[in-house]
Amino acid sequence: GQNIDQPTEMTATEGAIVQINCTYQTSGFNGLFWYQQHAGEAPTFLSYNVLDGLEEKGRFSSFLSRSKGYSYLLLKELQMKDSASYLCAVGGGQKVTFGTGTKLQVIP
Amino acid sequence: DAGITQSPRYKITETGRQVTLMCHQTWSHSYMFWYRQDLGHGLRLIYYSAAADITDKGEVPDGYVVSRSKTENFPLTLESATRSQTSVYFCASSESGGRNNEQFFGPGTRLTVL
Repeated sequence: GQNIDQPTEMTATEGAIVQINCTYQTSGFNGLFWYQQHAGEAPTFLSYNVLDGLEEKGRFSSFLSRSKGYSYLLLKELQMKDSASYLCAVGGGQKVTFGTGTKLQVIP
Repeated sequence: DAGITQSPRYKITETGRQVTLMCHQTWSHSYMFWYRQDLGHGLRLIYYSAAADITDKGEVPDGYVVSRSKTENFPLTLESATRSQTSVYFCASSESGGRNNEQFFGPGTRLTVL
């Protein structure tokens, strides 16, 4: 099975940088996903890591260490619209397992 | 319209009634998924389908039935609704299963069982 851990809540200031961590233990691993979910809306895809290292996409970056079972999502130049839940998810076999999500609140 | 849609968006029903939630996608994605999302549990997989006429259980399948006679449709049926099935239900589709293709989510159905 899969076990995925991420912090429940985080607060950060507009314009700052925040790092959301995710640790996982899996029986099968194809890659790691990050999704963003605004309150009352559906999740939307942010990133996918299959190899170790950092993947940068605009203000968002995602890092993966397969040997440590660890990933993080880095959000730079935070904006108020970044207030949302961020879901870490592990792909294995035919399906994806989601963590419980980290609710990020961006304050002025 | 292209994309993935769910209906109804909101549903209130009573304990013991049968309820069917609909999901339709226009991308011809092979894989489709049903999740429920509850506070403290995140997204949990109910059932998934790798192709028409191929379905498999996820993490929390009890009390649910699915079918997939056509690639584009993946209805979820609650045979006899219980209060514990009050939740937000998301349907999703992807080109592959747990590999490098992102899942596209429908807007969700908020189900209340009284």
